[in-house]
Amino acid sequence: AQSVTQLGSHVSVSEGALVLLRCNYSSSVPPYLFWYVQYPNQGLQLLLKYTSAATLVKGINGFEAEFKKSETSFHLTKPSAHMSDAAEYFCAVSDPDTGNQFYFGTGTSLTVIP
Amino acid sequence: GAGVSQSPRYKVAKRGQDVALRCDPISGHVSLFWYQQALGQGPEFLTYFQNEAQLDKSGLPSDRFFAERPEGSVSTLKIQRTQQEDSAVYLCASSLEARTQQFFGPGTRLTVL
Repeated sequence: AQSVTQLGSHVSVSEGALVLLRCNYSSSVPPYLFWYVQYPNQGLQLLLKYTSAATLVKGINGFEAEFKKSETSFHLTKPSAHMSDAAEYFCAVSDPDTGNQFYFGTGTSLTVIP
Repeated sequence: GAGVSQSPRYKVAKRGQDVALRCDPISGHVSLFWYQQALGQGPEFLTYFQNEAQLDKSGLPSDRFFAERPEGSVSTLKIQRTQQEDSAVYLCASSLEARTQQFFGPGTRLTVL
């Protein structure tokens, strides 16, 4: 079975500061991992995904995440926050053998302070 | 179309009413998924179709929930005798195949009074 834990339901950073959103997963098999962003009243948009290739994954809008098997983590980072990054961020895991279900974390709301 | 579309975007129902939520996936996408997102929570899996076949419905919370995709394209999620706990955003997603990236629609916000 797969599950995801996102530490910190709310994160605030100053504009230009480092963004770090935490995600830890639990999986009985090597997983696929995803980060999605959700803006108000919009659907989820894929930021990046890990599918067993390079452990450092680069996504859109300057975000990246590193898969660390030893820590069962897939934290999302961005060197310099922009006001437009304010949104809800979801980490998700799926079983690559079935792929039928995505298991989402409870989300982290990012606030960017000018 | 350019993306996944869902209708209606907002639905208010009185407790006990039946509702039907529609999803138009990206053309050519074989896989279609429904999720329920309660306020302040992440999306939770409801059901999955591959073409017209419903291969997994393990996430449907009760027998009041029913989904179909008769022609392998448009899908409808039906909720019978709605209850207040059914209030949530219902998200639809589609993908070329099950293990690839899922593209999400904007969701239907259901409020049951």
